[in-house]
Amino acid sequence: DAKTTQPNSMESNEEEPVHLPCNHSTISGTDYIHWYRQLPSQGPEYVIHGLTSNVNNRMASLAIAEDRKSSTLILHRATLRDAAVYYCILDTGNQFYFGTGTSLTVIP
Amino acid sequence: SQTIHQWPATLVQPVGSPLSLECTVEGTSNPNLYWYRQAAGRGLQLLFYSVGIGQISSEVPQNLSASRPQDRQFILSSKKLLLSDSGFYLCAWSQPTSGGETQYFGPGTRLLVL
Repeated sequence: DAKTTQPNSMESNEEEPVHLPCNHSTISGTDYIHWYRQLPSQGPEYVIHGLTSNVNNRMASLAIAEDRKSSTLILHRATLRDAAVYYCILDTGNQFYFGTGTSLTVIP
Repeated sequence: SQTIHQWPATLVQPVGSPLSLECTVEGTSNPNLYWYRQAAGRGLQLLFYSVGIGQISSEVPQNLSASRPQDRQFILSSKKLLLSDSGFYLCAWSQPTSGGETQYFGPGTRLLVL
């Protein structure tokens, strides 16, 4: 069974915020939550990660539910370059568990 | 700065032929190294990881093997390829930390077994 579940696809208008959800109900207390994104025929690119508290960086924000069973990646203003497959990942310390990802389409 | 290289970029091989994919990392020492496979339209599946020279852990029983002959070199091999070995192979590295380490991925090798 997948450790993370995400919607297969989402759309957003350019310049608008995007909220990408992820469920990880089997997360344990020491598992980190990572988000990566991948363009076609390229390796995944790190976006953000967190453990318990919400996190912000220059690319995005990560909102983690209080029970840690879900999280949301927030892109504050979507650009055309943000179109990619976004993966929510559980990091157990020994391994990254990738879900099937959300394909984000940004509409000009 | 650190860089990660993979080659070849693409490869077409017949069933039953051997395989050798190479990954090298520059600009860091004693990294953790990883091999992943991505089937079309799917997420990544960890195949092997290594925390040091000669130390290989396998996550999934398969037709593949890995070796780490040098600190920053990671090789994925097979003696006889199967059709099911087709996919996008990604190498990654990370700097060992106490938790939440970032993995940096290479450009990948697309393998087609015919």
